[in-house]
Amino acid sequence: EAQVTQNPRYLITVTGKKLTVTCSQNMNHEYMSWYRQDPGLGLRQIYYSMNVEVTDKGDVPEGYKVSRKEKRNFPLILESPSPNQTSLYFCASSLSLRGLWTEAFFGQGTRLTVV
Amino acid sequence: AQKITQTQPGMFVQEKEAVTLDCTYDTSDPSYGLFWYKQPSSGEMIFLIYQGSYDQQNATEGRYSLNFQKARKSANLVISASQLGDSAMYFCAMSPLGQAGTALIFGKGTTLSVSS
Repeated sequence: EAQVTQNPRYLITVTGKKLTVTCSQNMNHEYMSWYRQDPGLGLRQIYYSMNVEVTDKGDVPEGYKVSRKEKRNFPLILESPSPNQTSLYFCASSLSLRGLWTEAFFGQGTRLTVV
Repeated sequence: AQKITQTQPGMFVQEKEAVTLDCTYDTSDPSYGLFWYKQPSSGEMIFLIYQGSYDQQNATEGRYSLNFQKARKSANLVISASQLGDSAMYFCAMSPLGQAGTALIFGKGTTLSVSS
């Protein structure tokens, strides 16, 4: 089954304690991205990756890091989480078809609370 | 700059009625894709429908149709015969060609409530 798998689904952590949210897709998609969703703000892109070893900042990259060592995996790293990073996070992957991105497949979301 | 605007924070509809969720977009790209996603209270993002900017006909997927008016830069979602299970947040999104980093730009969403 084609899917994007995020872990964990729920996480409560304390300020400053490093954490990683994993994301894996089994569709051989080139493009992967992380979004955060906050009430009234919709989904905002944090980082994206066009392919292995190619990553770049989205709209709200501060406080986050990513890596893309393999095509299927795109972990999101919070080196020193702060309460303003409490949010719902989504990983997504897409395929480029004739220059246009097809629909994104989303992970189930990770609800992160930083206290 | 690329932008998606959803002006309806909330919409209310009765079961079996049709409802239109508005979406306007701004782009200078000649080619782009438009998407609608549904997010139920459980949180997952569910892809509903896609419209390419060069598609001659409006997209249709079951009870969902996309009313695409290119000159007005609008891509409204029409849900026919609403069901209670349609209650959710709906997001309009755009994929501009050539803007490789911004594969999907989202609007802020519209919450749809369907009552019996």
